[in-house]
Amino acid sequence: KAGVTQTPRYLIKTRGQQVTLSCSPISGHRSVSWYQQTPGQGLQFLFEYFSETQRNKGNFPGRFSGRQFSNSRSEMNVSTLELGDSALYLCASSLEYGTGHEQYFGPGTRLTVT
Amino acid sequence: GESVGLHLPTLSVQEGDNSIINCAYSNSASDYFIWYKQESGKGPQFIIDIRSNMDKRQGQRVTVLLNKTVKHLSLQIAATQPGDSAVYFCAAAIGTYKYIFGTGTRLKVLA
Repeated sequence: KAGVTQTPRYLIKTRGQQVTLSCSPISGHRSVSWYQQTPGQGLQFLFEYFSETQRNKGNFPGRFSGRQFSNSRSEMNVSTLELGDSALYLCASSLEYGTGHEQYFGPGTRLTVT
Repeated sequence: GESVGLHLPTLSVQEGDNSIINCAYSNSASDYFIWYKQESGKGPQFIIDIRSNMDKRQGQRVTVLLNKTVKHLSLQIAATQPGDSAVYFCAAAIGTYKYIFGTGTRLKVLA
């Protein structure tokens, strides 16, 4: 069974630009969660999607948004990039939404904002 | 606010010895905990989980201990191997929908 895939793996953007990251979950998984990982803060939850609906959201500004498609693939978008948005963005998929279900992480997209 | 912290940023152990990585959480309502392993350039990998109705759970070479009284969680790795070198972090579920993650302990295995 193929794992969670994320594209692109690396990205360099300039302040003020926007970026779209993509995540394909494991086949059969309907929940996709997004996380931001930085050395100082660890993993911070961005949002979770299930059946094309956002089920839960973390404490990030509205510049961070996402969506999920009918095939469970998900995208996240960050608009008006700031230097502080430089991070590893991880997505994780699971069979169902909410806690208590094993999450499988992708390799992440390394975003650098200059 | 809610937090999950690991006690040591780095832990060095001799190959073949046992490793113990600790984690403390702040929310007494946390009822589900997970340990992850993250190797360089990869996403976190699930190691083992435990629910709050248990105080110990064993997997292959790993054991998780949960002490709800002091809100402490530990991961024990038996007979540590070079392939165990990675960053380990715990996550605590807050309610039904939210995880809080620790920042991680880097485990270095010395030959």
